[in-house]
Amino acid sequence: DIQMTQSPSSVSASVGDRVTITCRASQGISSWLAWYQQKPGKAPKLLIYAASSLQSGVPSRFSGSGSGTDFTLTISSLQPEDFATYYCQQANSFPTFGQGTRLEIK
Amino acid sequence: QVQLVQSGAEVKKPGASVKVSCKASGYTFTSYYMHWVRQAPGQGLEWMGIINPSGGSTSYAQKFQGRVTMTRDTSTSTVYMELSSLRSEDTAVYYCARAGSQGSYYYMDVWGKGTTVTVSS
Repeated sequence: DIQMTQSPSSVSASVGDRVTITCRASQGISSWLAWYQQKPGKAPKLLIYAASSLQSGVPSRFSGSGSGTDFTLTISSLQPEDFATYYCQQANSFPTFGQGTRLEIK
Repeated sequence: QVQLVQSGAEVKKPGASVKVSCKASGYTFTSYYMHWVRQAPGQGLEWMGIINPSGGSTSYAQKFQGRVTMTRDTSTSTVYMELSSLRSEDTAVYYCARAGSQGSYYYMDVWGKGTTVTVSS
């Protein structure tokens, strides 16, 4: 299995801040990577696929980059509704997820 | 609109089986694969397997091989996930999620709300 490792595990930030979350794959996955947002008690929501493509309806303040083994999710200017947990997921083979990054209000 | 409606919460005893349903609407059921993903309390997401609603073929995560069965009923646009030999570690929220059309059927673009399965004696 391909292991996905996210960092940090949690981060505190303020509204308006720029935040970056990192995801590393245990082997190369080209650009087969997705990012999801999950709020408490809710199902995950697809934000980014193919490492950098924005899913329809997702605000443009979300962006993704990377290829191979190293990827990032950036939120350019945090909004109150962005405080949630974020997961990366590799789509190169049977899916595996990172452990999640909890984004909290400072 | 595209929607996945899952069955209600279940409480099961260790050793029993559970069958969770996921009814799709708003799109052509047989055109999109369907995933099952679970999430234990306070934990991350764990992929269980995928089914092709068109032909019924399945692929399961090795961890669940021999214990999970995914099936579909095209007449009702419903997929099912049955997990047997339940143990306390299977207590989790179980999600169905549609495989996206974004170049890989391993992306999940629409999710059900989840079904809570509690395993307790």
